[in-house]
Amino acid sequence: DTEVTQTPKHLVMGMTNKKSLKCEQHMGHRAMYWYKQKAKKPPELMFVYSYEKLSINESVPSRFSPECPNSSLLNLHLHALQPEDSALYLCASSQDLAGGYQETQYFGPGTRLLVL
Amino acid sequence: GNSVTQMEGPVTLSEEAFLTINCTYTATGYPSLFWYVQYPGEGLQLLLKATKADDKGSNKGFEATYRKETTSFHLEKGSVQVSDSAVYFCALPGSGNTPLVFGKGTRLSVIA
Repeated sequence: DTEVTQTPKHLVMGMTNKKSLKCEQHMGHRAMYWYKQKAKKPPELMFVYSYEKLSINESVPSRFSPECPNSSLLNLHLHALQPEDSALYLCASSQDLAGGYQETQYFGPGTRLLVL
Repeated sequence: GNSVTQMEGPVTLSEEAFLTINCTYTATGYPSLFWYVQYPGEGLQLLLKATKADDKGSNKGFEATYRKETTSFHLEKGSVQVSDSAVYFCALPGSGNTPLVFGKGTRLSVIA
């Protein structure tokens, strides 16, 4: 089973709202990722977690706050977003980072976010 | 650092036509190479991968061969179907802190 699940599938929020995106995998992977994808572009890395610790933060604004409560779950907390943050948010996981980034990343279906 | 150049589309083909999407890379060492596919309204799915030179990845009728001499990993399919309409991304591990470097993506439309 190579499934990564994400909820919700769609999310509409106002600029003053607080919401969270959730990601889950049961493949025993110890590396998890958040990406942001704008229309007609490849995904852009936001965060990487390795063994539940934040490994990479690609200078993402503080209105995005990641959390990894355990090895299977990854959350992305959203607060005071801007309309330009509207995008598809993808979660991914891989075995671990021990061998660098040679391991295959498995992606979830994404959450399509619209900020009004 | 590692980089990938991918043929940009859109590519429009008739059903049963032959498909080639070109991908060339620049990398230190011999990284794994990947093709991901993104169907309309969905996330990315791993289509195939190759982990060393001369390896051929294959899946769903698609193939790509890891060519060290030409630093290429071209995606091919002998007979495309309407259901293959999607965006295809070539990717490889980045250098430094970059997990994956993606090509810009190639949009394929197959018409009946």
